[in-house]
Amino acid sequence: EVHLVESGGRLVQPGGSLRLSCAASGFTFSTFAMHWVRQAPGKGLEWISYISSTSNSIYYADSVKGRFTISRDNAKNSLYLQMSSLRSEDTAVYFCAREAVSLFDYWGQGTLVTVSS
Amino acid sequence: DVQMTQSPSSLSASVGDRITITCRTSQSSSTYLNWYQQKPGKAPKLLIYAASSLQSGVPSRFSGSGSGTDFALTISSLQPEDFATYYCQQSYTSPWTFGQGTKVEIK
Repeated sequence: EVHLVESGGRLVQPGGSLRLSCAASGFTFSTFAMHWVRQAPGKGLEWISYISSTSNSIYYADSVKGRFTISRDNAKNSLYLQMSSLRSEDTAVYFCAREAVSLFDYWGQGTLVTVSS
Repeated sequence: DVQMTQSPSSLSASVGDRITITCRTSQSSSTYLNWYQQKPGKAPKLLIYAASSLQSGVPSRFSGSGSGTDFALTISSLQPEDFATYYCQQSYTSPWTFGQGTKVEIK
């Protein structure tokens, strides 16, 4: 069974940094592209980053470009999101999602990042 | 970026009703259009992919249609477990944009 489990979310001050992790199991992680999607409190879904299976292709939303870095370790079946220069508007639940040919078929349960002083 | 216009933003309906949610993209997305259901405090769940293909395990009362720029999600007979928020998403090109969501509430 496919499982994606995010971790690392916490309260952080504006301007701070945080690293989120997504542990994958139940499938061959190294053969799937992955995404990060976030949801601010009471708001809709916002795609923020993509990484191909081999890390050769990476994309970011304009809202996080230059501040967030996506990466993966296929040997550890893990996806990461390094977040820096955090702002209050980055407060959200962050989901990792598996891509299967242009659709997001499995999602983690999310991890909450709160940016506040 | 492909802009998504989803409507309505909310609707009230009764169990057994047929409802339709529409999604328009600002440029052609071919059939690279997916629909997700989200319940409070939960992750989104894939319902429909490639505009009209039903994801495995999803009840047949859900259906999708459309191509190009105009798409629709229909629930043929609303069930109590269907009260949730629904999002469309284009996967034709980066950035992978979502509609603003449609909240389906009990009348």
